[in-house]
Amino acid sequence: QSALTQPPSASGSPGQSVTISCTGTSSDVGGYNYVSWYQQHPGKAPKLMIYEVSKRPSGVPDRFSGSKSGNTASLTVSGLQSEDEADYYCSSYAGSNNSVVFGGGTKLTVL
Amino acid sequence: EVQLVESGGGLVQPGRSLRLSCAASGFTFDDYAMHWVRQAPGKGLEWVSGISWNSDTIGYVDSVKGRFTISRDNAKNSLYLQMNSLRAEDTAFYYCAKDTNYGDYVGAFDIWGQGTTVTVSS
Repeated sequence: QSALTQPPSASGSPGQSVTISCTGTSSDVGGYNYVSWYQQHPGKAPKLMIYEVSKRPSGVPDRFSGSKSGNTASLTVSGLQSEDEADYYCSSYAGSNNSVVFGGGTKLTVL
Repeated sequence: EVQLVESGGGLVQPGRSLRLSCAASGFTFDDYAMHWVRQAPGKGLEWVSGISWNSDTIGYVDSVKGRFTISRDNAKNSLYLQMNSLRAEDTAFYYCAKDTNYGDYVGAFDIWGQGTTVTVSS
């Protein structure tokens, strides 16, 4: 049950695109199409932004997109807006012992 | 309105027990898997435990195995986390979260409660 690996920080200017990576193993990210991404603003509960690698829940802007290649998943935020500044976490179903694992989180700064 | 409301948190001494509850409303509770996720102060999210719709599938993070027990009462639309032998490192904000999947869980959490604080300290 090792945590997924995310960069601690990412940044971009308004209107630009930024991609956040999430690296796991064949036992989690690479083994299942159950990767999710969450946005968390300070003092707030997390919000689901992407699930099953690339699906967006109702109400999430299409500026947010997800993908996966091998053991690495990615979240891309296009057309950055100031309200996108937040912490972003990835997670994956890990199968063994019915577990779920999160990444360490990435702080996204909109310059 | 779809809602999850946690309760039962508080200050507890190391080695003691605490039981968290999560009351669900606004959706068919017994259709979905449910989870507990925690966040230590200033730290990231950590999945703690999950339970399928019928309690047949249950999982725990290694650090709580043998100490924590997840359960649910579908008749009461409620999820629980019995926490025994608490340690300082269990200090965190505990969230109840609904899985996106019918039945067994896939670890995607679309509805979150506002959380309850657990502080383990002497």
